[in-house]
Amino acid sequence: AQTVTQSQPEMSVQEAETVTLSCTYDTSESDYYLFWYKQPPSRQMILVIRQEAYKQQNATENRFSVNFQKAAKSFSLKISDSQLGDAAMYFCAYRRGTGANSKLTFGKGITLSVRP
Amino acid sequence: KAGVTQTPRYLIKTRGQQVTLSCSPISGHRSVSWYQQTPGQGLQFLFEYFSETQRNKGNFPGRFSGRQFSNSRSEMNVSTLELGDSALYLCASSLGTGGYYGYTFGSGTRLTVV
Repeated sequence: AQTVTQSQPEMSVQEAETVTLSCTYDTSESDYYLFWYKQPPSRQMILVIRQEAYKQQNATENRFSVNFQKAAKSFSLKISDSQLGDAAMYFCAYRRGTGANSKLTFGKGITLSVRP
Repeated sequence: KAGVTQTPRYLIKTRGQQVTLSCSPISGHRSVSWYQQTPGQGLQFLFEYFSETQRNKGNFPGRFSGRQFSNSRSEMNVSTLELGDSALYLCASSLGTGGYYGYTFGSGTRLTVV
């Protein structure tokens, strides 16, 4: 079974600084997708960034980028120029590419606080 | 474009009762999935529907059931509620069922069982 591990329960960053959130996963699949979701107090899960396992290039979305290390099964999220609005819970998630059992498997999440 | 709509936002029920939660996906999305979120267990997959058929089911007791209608709207039902069913229930919609398709989540229904 696939598992996703986020070992840091909380992190804090100064506004305008850079922070990296860690995630590791375990799978025997070769075709899969990795995601970072943000959940602010409004509760809605918002997709931050997505990475296809078959792509070697790391995904980027504005201030958000990932460091995808497929062999090490590591998928960290880097937030540059942190803003107060980035404060939220962040979840790393895995989804296999094909097949009936293509559900999202989430890590436990990390609470990110941003200091003004 | 309207997002994923979940109703109601909050719900308080008594142990032993049953409850029905509703989810309207983004227009054109045919896949709807349900997740339970609790502080202790985190986010856990309940089930996924595509074109009115259950495609995948998580490891939850039979008290948890769902269905999807022809307009892709989905309902989730929990019978004989237990205190441990108190959670945030999130619905997510997707164009398809493969990993290529991303999920869009609703804001959830907060269920409290007393």
